[in-house]
Order: sequence, then C-alpha cells, then structure tokens
Amino acid sequence: QITLKESGPTLVKPTQTLTLTCTFSGFSLTTGGVGVGWFRQPPEKALEWLALIYWDDDKRYSPSLQSRLTITKDTSTNQVVLTMTDMDPVDTATYFCAHRRSLGEFAFWGPGTLVTVSS
Amino acid sequence: AIQMTQSPSSLSASVGDRVTITCRASQGIRNDLGWYQQKPGKAPKLLIYAASTLQSGVPSRFSGSGSGTHFTLTISSLQPEDFAVYYCLQDYTSPYTFGQGTKLDIK
Repeated sequence: QITLKESGPTLVKPTQTLTLTCTFSGFSLTTGGVGVGWFRQPPEKALEWLALIYWDDDKRYSPSLQSRLTITKDTSTNQVVLTMTDMDPVDTATYFCAHRRSLGEFAFWGPGTLVTVSS
Repeated sequence: AIQMTQSPSSLSASVGDRVTITCRASQGIRNDLGWYQQKPGKAPKLLIYAASTLQSGVPSRFSGSGSGTHFTLTISSLQPEDFAVYYCLQDYTSPYTFGQGTKLDIK
C-alpha cells in the first residue's frame, strides 16, 4: 500500500524559505522509473506542477519557479524535500506530493498541506 | 511549455446524464495524458492514465479516449458522487501541465 504525507510549516513570512517534506511508504525511490512530484493549488484555483525527482536523481522543475526551487531525496528515510525560497503571499496554496509511476501518471497523492504566506 | 486547453470550464448535469470533457494539447503528446477528479479539500484522484486506461478501482462509467492533441473524458451515467472538479494532466514532458479544470455540478 502506497502512502505519502506532506509536512512543514503552515505559516511562513514573506521572503522566508519554505521547506516541505514528503514522507512516503509502500515503494522505493530506488526502483527504476519511479518518481515523486510536488504540486500546489492556490485557494479556488487550478493545480500546478512544481518539481519532480526520479529514482536516478534526475530532477525537473517548473520553468517559472526553477530559480526558487530545490528538490532532493533521501532513500534511507523515504523522504523527498522541496525548498522554495523568497516566499510571497501569492505562494499561499495547498502543497501536494505524489508518486509517479513508470508510465508517467501520478496514481498516489498525499492529503496536502496548506501553507499561508503572511507577515 | 505544452498548453492544455480544457473545456468546458463548468458543466451542470443531472444524475444519469452522459457528460464529456475535452482537453486539447498545444502539441502532440502521444497518449501521455491522465484525468483526475478532485473533491473539495481533497487530493486529486487518478481516474484514467495513458489517455484511455482505467485506474484500478475506478468505476467503468468513466472512460477516456484520444491521442496526439485531442482527448476526452466521458462519464456514461452520472452518479451523485461524481460531482467534482476534473483536470487533465499531460505527463509527456516537463513542465507537466494541467488543464484549467472542469467543475461539474448538479443541475
């Protein structure tokens, strides 16, 4: 059974760095073809893909946010960490992590964590 | 980046209706497209992957078709639990991009 769960601060101040952790079970990030992605969804708005890390440590980022994002993995603890620098109120959103299967689809998602950016 | 244009943005329908949602890609994406259902306060749920493959556990009233640039999600007979927001997502190449979503509500 594959599960994922996001954790991190619920409130950050403008200009601060956000660090989110996705802790997963039921799969290994050493298995070929597997990845973990991050997404976000501002209140009442559409989903947006942010970043993806593959089993071989290949990393992909949204071009519009690439300069602010870093994604890393720790296969010993089954965690993927996303950092986003220089947070702004427009970054207020629910952030999700998801398991990417080898065919490319995101079949398993964490419940999401709401991050509010406010002074 | 590949743009995904989803239509309609909203749709009112009744239980038992057949509904179709469309996504068009700005360039060919083979069949690398998934359909997701999202209910308020919940994570997206994968319904269809590879354009037409039903995810395990998803009712057979959901179906997908298409390849290249034109894709459709069809719900053959709406059930009360199907009223939600639906998104397409192209996973052909990064940046992975969603359609704008279709809000399906009760007429």
